[in-house]
Amino acid sequence: AQKVTQAQTEISVVEKEDVTLDCVYETRDTTYYLFWYKQPPSGELVFLIRRNSFDEQNEISGRYSWNFQKSTSSFNFTITASQVVDSAVYFCALSSASGGSYIPTFGRGTSLIVHP
Amino acid sequence: DTGVSQNPRHKITKRGQNVTFRCDPISEHNRLYWYRQTLGQGPEFLTYFQNEAQLEKSRLLSDRFSAERPKGSFSTLEIQRTEQGDSAMYLCASSLLPHTEAFFGQGTRLTVV
Repeated sequence: AQKVTQAQTEISVVEKEDVTLDCVYETRDTTYYLFWYKQPPSGELVFLIRRNSFDEQNEISGRYSWNFQKSTSSFNFTITASQVVDSAVYFCALSSASGGSYIPTFGRGTSLIVHP
Repeated sequence: DTGVSQNPRHKITKRGQNVTFRCDPISEHNRLYWYRQTLGQGPEFLTYFQNEAQLEKSRLLSDRFSAERPKGSFSTLEIQRTEQGDSAMYLCASSLLPHTEAFFGQGTRLTVV
């Protein structure tokens, strides 16, 4: 079985603050994939990043960065200098063979509110 | 590549009626997923297709739900005898390979009154 936990239900920050969204996962497999998606108020889930279990290098894309730590089974997402447009619900997801043929399992999401 | 397309965007139906949703995936994608999302929750897996074969169904998918993907192209999700508990956003996604990222459509919001 596989599981994703996003313990933060809602985070509220003021523009230009840095914010980190936590994601903890569980899987028995050694090969697995982790994802982050953004769901703005319009409703469509937008893919942000995919990471495989063999690549623990952190990644940076503009104001976004991701920290993957197998030792703590975490895949955290940091937004630097947040902007109002970052307001959305963010989902972490996991896929592995034991979870059912690499079917993505999603966490409950973290709602990020960025105030001007 | 126009992305994943879902129709209709919104559907209001009376309890007991049947409804059908359509999903057009990204053209070269072999995998197609259906998820359901309710307020404050993440997407919950319903079923998926590899080409035209429906390979797995969640326990969430009761006998009133059926999905098809004829010829491995578009897919339909039908709900028979709708109940108020079926009210949710129904999301379709497609991916090129099993382990690659899934791209989502805008969803169909179903309201059962």
